[in-house]
Amino acid sequence: DTAVSQTPKYLVTQMGNDKSIKCEQNLGHDTMYWYKQDSKKFLKIMFSYNNKELIINETVPNRFSPKSPDKAHLNLHINSLELGDSAVYFCASSRRTENTEAFFGQGTRLTVV
Amino acid sequence: GNSVTQMEGPVTLSEEAFLTINCTYTATGYPSLFWYVQYPGEGLQLLLKATKADDKGSNKGFEATYRKETTSFHLEKGSVQVSDSAVYFCALSVFGNEKLTFGTGTRLTIIP
Repeated sequence: DTAVSQTPKYLVTQMGNDKSIKCEQNLGHDTMYWYKQDSKKFLKIMFSYNNKELIINETVPNRFSPKSPDKAHLNLHINSLELGDSAVYFCASSRRTENTEAFFGQGTRLTVV
Repeated sequence: GNSVTQMEGPVTLSEEAFLTINCTYTATGYPSLFWYVQYPGEGLQLLLKATKADDKGSNKGFEATYRKETTSFHLEKGSVQVSDSAVYFCALSVFGNEKLTFGTGTRLTIIP
């Protein structure tokens, strides 16, 4: 069973399009995240949700809108895609009540052309 | 704020060599420390962790000790294998601030 799964794994799209990435976790965790990994492998937090409530929103353009329909899902919608949005996006989850590690999905490689 | 400084890569070693990847941190509060590994084309996997000073995390022959006095969490392995080739990330989290702060990653290549 995949603990944190995100779809699609690859996404190639044209500038100006709107796209979504979906994430689901079956670990029973209460906190989910989106991280962005740039071409130099640098990882940075974008958003964090705890029990469907947004708790972290790090200086991300408002073209990016996360949505958490329930504790097990955190989707990322991106409007008006730009070339600079090309990156690998990772979903992760953890349990907020303990200072435990986060579990990561396999990543979605987004390429904007 | 919180930050992690990690040894610049890339690092290339011969099989069976000794590995050290340096990691130092600054944090408000009492962080937990982690090493994650990213194999080519894959997501991040937790390699090991330590949640308080003097704890030693270990897994797959890798070790790291949480040193509060030097604010360090260096990754070591006595004898590396080709299969250890990957990108290694040092990270920290502080309870109440739910996110991981990552170092820049160190690409490790092991040659036979």
